[in-house]
Amino acid sequence: DAGVIQSPRHEVTEMGQEVTLRCKPISGHNSLFWYRQTMMRGLELLIYFNNNVPIDDSGMPEDRFSAKMPNASFSTLKIQPSEPRDSAVYFCASSLSLAGPGTATGELFFGEGSRLTVL
Amino acid sequence: SQQGEEDPQALSIQEGENATMNCSYKTSINNLQWYRQNSGRGLVHLILIRSNEREKHSGRLRVTLDTSKKSSSLLITASRAADTASYFCATDGFSGGYNKLIFGAGTRLAVHP
Repeated sequence: DAGVIQSPRHEVTEMGQEVTLRCKPISGHNSLFWYRQTMMRGLELLIYFNNNVPIDDSGMPEDRFSAKMPNASFSTLKIQPSEPRDSAVYFCASSLSLAGPGTATGELFFGEGSRLTVL
Repeated sequence: SQQGEEDPQALSIQEGENATMNCSYKTSINNLQWYRQNSGRGLVHLILIRSNEREKHSGRLRVTLDTSKKSSSLLITASRAADTASYFCATDGFSGGYNKLIFGAGTRLAVHP
C-alpha cells in the first residue's frame, strides 16, 4: 500500500488566499484525522471523521477552517481566508476503527504532511 | 488537560548507550502510544500499550506504563545514529464527549556516532 498520501507537500500563499489541502487515506481505513503541527503548540487535533462522517471538530480553530470527506478515499481541509498564523505543517492520518467512534483509538498512519506558509 | 508531557525535551547520547524518555499525563486513558518523527517527515507508530498492561517490548524498544502515577517510559537500548528523531507519546482518552488521541510536545533525541 502507498500509505496516506497528502498534497501539496509545500504551499506558499499570501494572506487572504484560499488554501485547500488534500488527503487520500489508506484503503480500507475508516477513520481519518487532521492534525496541525507548530513549534509553539505542538500537534493539535483539528477534526476527525469516522465512516466519512465528522465526529469531532472541536479542534478546528475558527470558521475560516472547514473539512470535508465526500467519500472513503478522499478528504480536504480548506482555509479561507488564510492568515500568517495558519502557517504550520498539516498532517492527515488514518486508522482502522473496528468498534466505531467513542471507543479506543488504535494505531494512526500519518502522511508526510503539507507545509503551509502564509505570507 | 489529557495531554502527555515528555521529559526530557532534548536528549543527546552516544551510539550504543540506552535512551530513556518519560511521559506524564493527567486523565484516565484507554491506551498510550509512542510515535517517532524524523525531521521533515510524518509520524510513525512505534508501540501501543493498553491501560491494563504494565510493560511491552518491540525489538530494541521497551515501554512501561504506570497508571497509578499516570506515567510511561520509552527505553531504546543500544541506540544507533539512525534513532536520531523526535519521539512523542500520545494518550487515548475520553475528552469533550469523544475519544481522542492527544500528543505531547515530544523529546528530541540525538545519537552521536
